[in-house]
Amino acid sequence: GAVVSQHPSWVICKSGTSVKIECRSLDFQATTMFWYRQFPKQSLMLMATSNEGSKATYEQGVEKDKFLINHASLTLSTLTVTSAHPEDSSFYICSASNFRDRAYEQYFGPGTRLTVT
Amino acid sequence: GQQLNQSPQSMFIQEGEDVSMNCTSSSIFNTWLWYKQDPGEGPVLLIALYKAGELTSNGRLTAQFGITRKDSFLNISASIPSDVGIYFCAGQLPYNTGNQFYFGTGTSLTVIP
Repeated sequence: GAVVSQHPSWVICKSGTSVKIECRSLDFQATTMFWYRQFPKQSLMLMATSNEGSKATYEQGVEKDKFLINHASLTLSTLTVTSAHPEDSSFYICSASNFRDRAYEQYFGPGTRLTVT
Repeated sequence: GQQLNQSPQSMFIQEGEDVSMNCTSSSIFNTWLWYKQDPGEGPVLLIALYKAGELTSNGRLTAQFGITRKDSFLNISASIPSDVGIYFCAGQLPYNTGNQFYFGTGTSLTVIP
């Protein structure tokens, strides 16, 4: 159980275009989904917290107009990188969290590698 | 955002040796989690800790939630080659302060056969 998928796994796009990444919890309902960004050999940096049916909460320094997050259901959240530029190239990872037995569990997707040319 | 201090940054050990790594923070966390990440993949949960002082094992892995709620450690006993990877700690803030998870800087583990 607790499987999280991401689509696509790898995307290459041209500078100025927008890219949408999907995150799905396959076998549980996620009350909260998180989006992270990871540069090579570095840790995961939290970008935003997304609760179903409400606006995402962005971390300081993350542009909400650039990284659009939609959490339309308890099993799906999307991250859209708008007007992508080469500096947006990175590994984007989502996680889904549910509250069970009075504690939170967080499970990660396999990640999406974005390359902007 | 916050980042947790994790040490050591990297380790090179012989197969069969024990490994210890720790994570500290200036903030109090409600939950501590330990993950392992292989290149190009998402992190995989190893151990979750929910109470201060809690000591939990998962096979050869043992982790503890510090009494002060500001630190945690992970031990791996009798290391094997497949333990190679990057290990991250993660702490979750109390619910009334945001509920987010923040990650440590990572420990890269290399096991020499």
